[in-house]
Amino acid sequence: EDQVTQSPEALRLQEGESSSLNCSYTVSGLRGLFWYRQDPGKGPEFLFTLYSAGEEKEKERLKATLTKKESFLHITAPKPEDSATYLCAVQAGSGYSTLTFGKGTMLLVSP
Amino acid sequence: EAGVTQFPSHSVIEKGQTVTLRCDPISGHDNLYWYRRVMGKEIKFLLHFVKESKQDESGMPNNRFLAERTGGTYSTLKVQPAELEDSGVYFCASSRTPNTEAFFGQGTRLTVV
Repeated sequence: EDQVTQSPEALRLQEGESSSLNCSYTVSGLRGLFWYRQDPGKGPEFLFTLYSAGEEKEKERLKATLTKKESFLHITAPKPEDSATYLCAVQAGSGYSTLTFGKGTMLLVSP
Repeated sequence: EAGVTQFPSHSVIEKGQTVTLRCDPISGHDNLYWYRRVMGKEIKFLLHFVKESKQDESGMPNNRFLAERTGGTYSTLKVQPAELEDSGVYFCASSRTPNTEAFFGQGTRLTVV
């Protein structure tokens, strides 16, 4: 069974204090790893897709990386508006397109 | 371009009643998914439509849940009769192809009392 574990569960940062969120996965045949951002009362908002180990993607203050066992979401000089829950999900196996999600990391950035 | 839209945003019903949730996907997206988040747990897959056909319904909890997508456009998810454990947030998502990113709606928060 595919498993996704995110750590930490919650993270509190000061504005400008860079850090990383971790997503470790155990799947049979990774087809894609997805990062989403979710604000309270909203649905997940797509950020990145990574397909193979060594791949990196960037968007503003966020950078996602992928290895064969885990993915990191690096946040550089975060701002209060980066506060949200960050979700990691994997797509695995053959013939299926469903996502298996982790529980998420709740990030709070204080001014 | 309009995003994925879900109705209603909130629903409170009594145990034993019936509730129908609706999802309007992004226009042109053949793939439509239903997911659910129960309090304290991760978001979990329920089922996947390709146009009007059910591609995968392995995540449906039991036969009290019925999903339809007539004409390959909007989809409904009916829970009949509702039980307390059905409470949670139901998300709909759509994608252009099975292997591209899925875009989510804002969710329907269902509370069964």
